[in-house]
Amino acid sequence: DAGVTQSPTHLIKTRGQQVTLRCSPKSGHDTVSWYQQALGQGPQFIFQYYEEEERQRGNFPDRFSGHQFPNYSSELNVNALLLGDSALYLCASSLDSGLGTWDEQFFGPGTRLTVL
Amino acid sequence: AQSVTQLGSHVSVSEGALVLLRCNYSSSVPPYLFWYVQYPNQGLQLLLKYTTGATLVKGINGFEAEFKKSETSFHLTKPSAHMSDAAEYFCAVSEDTGRRALTFGSGTRLQVQP
Repeated sequence: DAGVTQSPTHLIKTRGQQVTLRCSPKSGHDTVSWYQQALGQGPQFIFQYYEEEERQRGNFPDRFSGHQFPNYSSELNVNALLLGDSALYLCASSLDSGLGTWDEQFFGPGTRLTVL
Repeated sequence: AQSVTQLGSHVSVSEGALVLLRCNYSSSVPPYLFWYVQYPNQGLQLLLKYTTGATLVKGINGFEAEFKKSETSFHLTKPSAHMSDAAEYFCAVSEDTGRRALTFGSGTRLQVQP
């Protein structure tokens, strides 16, 4: 089992550009969450996708958008990049077992985005 | 709204010494609490979790944590530090099941001196 994989590993962009980050969930998982981890900070929740729809969203602007495909993989898109978007972007996958259950989120190694 | 405070951004201990990493949380409803570890250039790995039941929870690599509702704390301990424990540790809270959003603290970097 490859676990959660993310691509690319590193990315350098300039202000104003757009970027797409990709995530493949752990085998058997159907839910994908995205987090932003700025240098020296804890991860911050961006949004979560389940059944190809955004189920929950954190306090991030509309410049951050996502998508989940039928095979449960996911993309994170960021438009009009700002210097402050430089961070490690983490993807986490889980299996939705239904209400009242706890589903562990397995994290990928992340994509390091640098905005110049 | 939920929040997590980790006291001490850096903690240094000697090999074989007690490890104590502090975490306090704020939550309007009974919380679910977690500790994650992050090694350099790797993702987060779950160490242990509290959802319901016993307030003293044991995790991997000899770590344990105790949920104290009266103190709104969930401190992480390990009786004897090993060099391989050097990493960044994050406390997190969720007001729903773990499949919902996790709110993380700012992390504590643990150094283990030989």
